[in-house]
Amino acid sequence: AQSVTQLGSHVSVSEGALVLLRCNYSSSVPPYLFWYVQYPNQGLQLLLKYTTGATLVKGINGFEAEFKKSETSFHLTKPSAHMSDAAEYFCAVSGGNTGKLIFGQGTTLQVKP
Amino acid sequence: GAVVSQHPSWVICKSGTSVKIECRSLDFQATTMFWYRQFPKQSLMLMATSNEGSKATYEQGVEKDKFLINHASLTLSTLTVTSAHPEDSSFYICSFIKGAGFTDTQYFGPGTRLTVL
Repeated sequence: AQSVTQLGSHVSVSEGALVLLRCNYSSSVPPYLFWYVQYPNQGLQLLLKYTTGATLVKGINGFEAEFKKSETSFHLTKPSAHMSDAAEYFCAVSGGNTGKLIFGQGTTLQVKP
Repeated sequence: GAVVSQHPSWVICKSGTSVKIECRSLDFQATTMFWYRQFPKQSLMLMATSNEGSKATYEQGVEKDKFLINHASLTLSTLTVTSAHPEDSSFYICSFIKGAGFTDTQYFGPGTRLTVL
């Protein structure tokens, strides 16, 4: 069984500040981990993903995430927040050979001027 | 690119009617696709997995006779909500896997907002 927990349903940062969105997962098989962003009334856009190899993954729009197996975490960071980063962020896990994604509850990122 | 479209983007219907939602991959072919449902302020919940030419596999708790999925081709899938009721009101999102591997990226449609009166 797999599950994802995103700590903090709402995160607020000032423009230019560090963004840190937390994600912990549970998986009985080697996990594949994803971060998606969703803007209002839109579908999801992939920010980055980890499958194998390098544990620090760089994505689009300056985001990156680090897979830490010992901590079962895959936190998303960005050094400097932009107003355009305000959106809903979802962490997801899949595993095995189904391709199914299990999503976390989502974190709303607010960026204040 | 990898573009997925959904039609309609929003629909309002009366209770008891059926609604069909189309999902198309515009610039790639995909064997496997998924349908999700998202209630307001909540996460996406997987409803079913569909492989072209095969019957869909539904997640536990999802009524297969109510949510009919037809994966007609490698670029088209439809979800029909039969005898819709107000509790079916939700945001429905489809996705296709681009590539042959299950770690390949899923590309999501923009979603369809269904409101049942």
